[in-house]
Amino acid sequence: AQSVSQHNHHVILSEAASLELGCNYSYGGTVNLFWYVQYPGQHLQLLLKYFSGDPLVKGIKGFEAEFIKSKFSFNLRKPSVQWSDTAEYFCAVTSKAAGNKLTFGGGTRVLVKP
Amino acid sequence: DGGITQSPKYLFRKEGQNVTLSCEQNLNHDAMYWYRQDPGQGLRLIYYSQIVNDFQKGDIAEGYSVSREKKESFPLTVTSAQKNPTAFYLCASRTHGQPQHFGDGTRLSIL
Repeated sequence: AQSVSQHNHHVILSEAASLELGCNYSYGGTVNLFWYVQYPGQHLQLLLKYFSGDPLVKGIKGFEAEFIKSKFSFNLRKPSVQWSDTAEYFCAVTSKAAGNKLTFGGGTRVLVKP
Repeated sequence: DGGITQSPKYLFRKEGQNVTLSCEQNLNHDAMYWYRQDPGQGLRLIYYSQIVNDFQKGDIAEGYSVSREKKESFPLTVTSAQKNPTAFYLCASRTHGQPQHFGDGTRLSIL
């Protein structure tokens, strides 16, 4: 069974600091990977996705993620955060072997202090 | 505007009652999903449906039931057998090869 692990449950940082959120998944076959964001009081939104091709994926709002197959990782990064990046971030994976079901990590709450 | 509509936004239930959460989409998506979100546990899949009149159990289906009589609708019933129903429930849909789109969610609380 596939599983997703997000290492940090809570991250607090100041504006203009760099952000990196870890994500590791368990399944060794072909996967599709996603980062979703949930701003306070809002619905889940897709930040970026990896299906194939260039392992460095650029998403919305200046976020990017790098797929490293050998490490089963898909870490999310942003070079300089803003107060408006305060949200909960979820990594997710899906695979054909798992019936294309989306499996989510536990989420990371990010608080950006102004 | 196309999207996913979940209603109601907030729902209260007495012990022993069944309650049904609505999910409607006008995106013409084939697949629909129900998740439960609990603090620190991310989203866990309850049920999903890839086509009309067909659905499968997810990871935590016990105490829940669904139906998929129409493509655009995928209601979730939280039965009295669900021992810990207080949670935030999210509905999602997708079309083949694309990521899931999510609704705004329904927060269910037990009185």
